[in-house]
Amino acid sequence: DTGVSQNPRHKITKRGQNVTFRCDPISEHNRLYWYRQTLGQGPEFLTYFQNEAQLEKSRLLSDRFSAERPKGSFSTLEIQRTEQGDSAMYLCASSLGSGFGKNIQYFGAGTRLSVL
Amino acid sequence: KQEVTQIPAALSVPEGENLVLNCSFTDSAIYNLQWFRQDPGKGLTSLLLIQSSQREQTSGRLNASLDKSSGRSTLYIAASQPGDSATYLCAVDAGGTSYGKLTFGQGTILTVHP
Repeated sequence: DTGVSQNPRHKITKRGQNVTFRCDPISEHNRLYWYRQTLGQGPEFLTYFQNEAQLEKSRLLSDRFSAERPKGSFSTLEIQRTEQGDSAMYLCASSLGSGFGKNIQYFGAGTRLSVL
Repeated sequence: KQEVTQIPAALSVPEGENLVLNCSFTDSAIYNLQWFRQDPGKGLTSLLLIQSSQREQTSGRLNASLDKSSGRSTLYIAASQPGDSATYLCAVDAGGTSYGKLTFGQGTILTVHP
């Protein structure tokens, strides 16, 4: 198993364009999380999935953001009409699920978004 | 709303020194606390996870303690090495309906010089 994989690693886009990021979790991990990290700050929670169900969305996730996890496998995070304030590192993590020993989150290397 | 603070923001030490990183949180009703390491431009690596019922966890040269009632955790690194240079983040999981949703501190940037 190669761990959590995120693509692309870097994305440069112009303001107003739409972007989509992909996350492939560790196989058999039921939970998948998205976080956003800006320079010098810790990651901030955006949303998470239990299998294909999206269980919670942060208030940070405006209506320009949408996330999906079809069939409970990979996940995509789309940002529509990007703004310069969306520039950040977008991190994906996965875990086996709930319960003792299953809730450690394994993170991908992230997708760095730059909006010009 | 849970808030997590890490002190110091940055730390520079000579190789071989023992050091302590601090993490405090405002709401003591937590499910667990984790310490992560992040190398520049990379994702996070989990170092230690302490359940709310535990007082400490150890892995190699790392020891993390948890005092839930006072809202504090410390990460102790023994005999530091240049390879320990990274940003260290602590994160709390409130559990319950927020289970799995981690709240992070802003991190401590550690530099260990030879």
